[in-house]
Amino acid sequence: SQQGEEDPQALSIQEGENATMNCSYKTSINNLQWYRQNSGRGLVHLILIRSNEREKHSGRLRVTLDTSKKSSSLLITASRAADTASYFCALGGAGTALIFGKGTTLSVSS
Amino acid sequence: NAGVTQTPKFQVLKTGQSMTLQCAQDMNHNSMYWYRQDPGMGLRLIYYSASEGTTDKGEVPNGYNVSRLNKREFSLRLESAAPSQTSVYFCASSPRRQGSYNEQFFGPGTRLTVL
Repeated sequence: SQQGEEDPQALSIQEGENATMNCSYKTSINNLQWYRQNSGRGLVHLILIRSNEREKHSGRLRVTLDTSKKSSSLLITASRAADTASYFCALGGAGTALIFGKGTTLSVSS
Repeated sequence: NAGVTQTPKFQVLKTGQSMTLQCAQDMNHNSMYWYRQDPGMGLRLIYYSASEGTTDKGEVPNGYNVSRLNKREFSLRLESAAPSQTSVYFCASSPRRQGSYNEQFFGPGTRLTVL
């Protein structure tokens, strides 16, 4: 079934470094969203990028979308220990529901 | 605003027992969703309700039933629990009927263990 594939599955960096994670998908989408999940908590929406947009910023987050390559990337600049979490891409299509990927686990050490 | 609330937070069942997971949102959202999250599997949609009075199956509906009691509440029922239903269950809501067009707001989850 249509699902986003995040890459890498796990990422470990030092505080202050940038973190980049990618999401690839197979069919057409209306929008792509990124969510964060802290350990033991629910998901929190970070950013939504529509299919006609190429780049979007929100604070230290930068998301790109390349519909020709069917891929998106999430960049977190100047990472902090508090950014330690799992990050999920979610695909928005013509239907009502989002399709979530399996996530990237980010660990930021101080 | 409390956002999306779920009860209970934890539950242990024996195989064959039944239970209902409760979810409520106070944001006047139209769409509500139930997901399960298993290690290494991401979130999988069980059922959703695009608006009050409607429900639809998601990717993994077998063994579950849902009720959209009113605009605020969306419950998930396990009629005869099985160990394969051990998981963390999340409820979510989104403002518009076309839920895939806008962000979803998640509850804190219910950790269910079926022995």
